[in-house]
Amino acid sequence: AQSVAQPEDQVNVAEGNPLTVKCTYSVSGNPYLFWYVQYPNRGLQFLLKYITGDNLVKGSYGFEAEFNKSQTSFHLKKPSALVSDSALYFCAVRDGVNDYKLSFGAGTTVTVRA
Amino acid sequence: DTAVSQTPKYLVTQMGNDKSIKCEQNLGHDTMYWYKQDSKKFLKIMFSYNNKELIINETVPNRFSPKSPDKAHLNLHINSLELGDSAVYFCASSSEFGLAGGRQETQYFGPGTRLLVL
Repeated sequence: AQSVAQPEDQVNVAEGNPLTVKCTYSVSGNPYLFWYVQYPNRGLQFLLKYITGDNLVKGSYGFEAEFNKSQTSFHLKKPSALVSDSALYFCAVRDGVNDYKLSFGAGTTVTVRA
Repeated sequence: DTAVSQTPKYLVTQMGNDKSIKCEQNLGHDTMYWYKQDSKKFLKIMFSYNNKELIINETVPNRFSPKSPDKAHLNLHINSLELGDSAVYFCASSSEFGLAGGRQETQYFGPGTRLLVL
């Protein structure tokens, strides 16, 4: 079984400050990890993923995430948040090569105030 | 160019009716999915097809029946709609077997179909 936990329902930051959205996961095999963003009344947009290789992954819109195997975490970060980053963020995991099922966390609502 | 498209965008219907949602992808992917997002924004996989074959079938009422006429299309038919079926349904696609220029594990999502059952 695989699962994802996003411990914070909401994250509030001021524009220009660093933004971190936390994610921890549980899988029995090798994790494939993803971050998606959902703007109001829109579909999910892919931000970045970790499959293998470098633990620091860079993605769209200035976001990055660090894979930490010992802590089973994949936190999303942005050095300087923008008001336009306000959205719902989902972390997702799938188990290795042959399991196509993507399990999502409950989502974290990010609000960036001007 | 829309990569993953869904129709209709909104669907309001009465309890007991039968309705269908259509999904098309032009990414050349070989695998397609249906997800349900409930009122608390929780996302759950329902079905997945690879090259017209069902590969994921989660615990979903058998009133829900997916159909894949070809690898670019995955439709969802729902019989005898219930109030609890009200949700946003997302289609997604990925390339799992490298048929479209290599394996692409990332799932790309459509804009969603907002279903309201009255």
